[in-house]
Amino acid sequence: QVTLKESGPGILQPSQTLSLTCTFSGFSLSTYGMGVGWIRQPSGKGLEWLANIWWDDDKYYNPSLKNRLTISKDTSNNQAFLKITNVDTADTATYYCARILSLRFDYWGQGVMVTVSS
Amino acid sequence: EIVLTQSPTTMAASPGEKVTITCRASSSVSYMYWYQQKSGASPKPWIYETSKLASGVPDRFSGSGSGTSYSFTISSMETEDAATYYCHQWSSTLTFGSGTKLEIK
Repeated sequence: QVTLKESGPGILQPSQTLSLTCTFSGFSLSTYGMGVGWIRQPSGKGLEWLANIWWDDDKYYNPSLKNRLTISKDTSNNQAFLKITNVDTADTATYYCARILSLRFDYWGQGVMVTVSS
Repeated sequence: EIVLTQSPTTMAASPGEKVTITCRASSSVSYMYWYQQKSGASPKPWIYETSKLASGVPDRFSGSGSGTSYSFTISSMETEDAATYYCHQWSSTLTFGSGTKLEIK
């Protein structure tokens, strides 16, 4: 059974760094072809892809946010991470992690709400 | 970046009615993917590689298209189909459409 769960700080202040963790089970990020992606959704708005990391440590970022994003993984502990630097109110959103298999986000976490506020 | 334009933005359909949502890409894409999201829940994969149904998706759903024009169809609307549907492409930098909110009439 594949499950993913996001965790994060809940609230942080502008200019801080947002650190998110995706803890998953039921698959391994060392398996050929496997990946994990991060997607966010401001309240009442659409989905925005942020970054992907693959089994071979290949990483892809949304160009519009690339300079602020860092994705990484800890294969032995079944975790993936996303850092967003210099946050502002526009980064307030629900952040999802999702497994990638065959170019599909086939399993999603429940999402974690992040609020940026002074 | 490939922009995906969905239409309509919102719509309402009666039970039994046929529903069609379109997704136009600003440049040609190889495949289109569709996700269903209900209020307060995570998105679910619904259609992949343009026309293949994800596991558990009823066969009243279908997808078609090529190049820059894709569509998502429900042959006969049911109350449980009320949700927001997003198209999505992987051919270039990953992008999602802005969503179509489908309500029951």
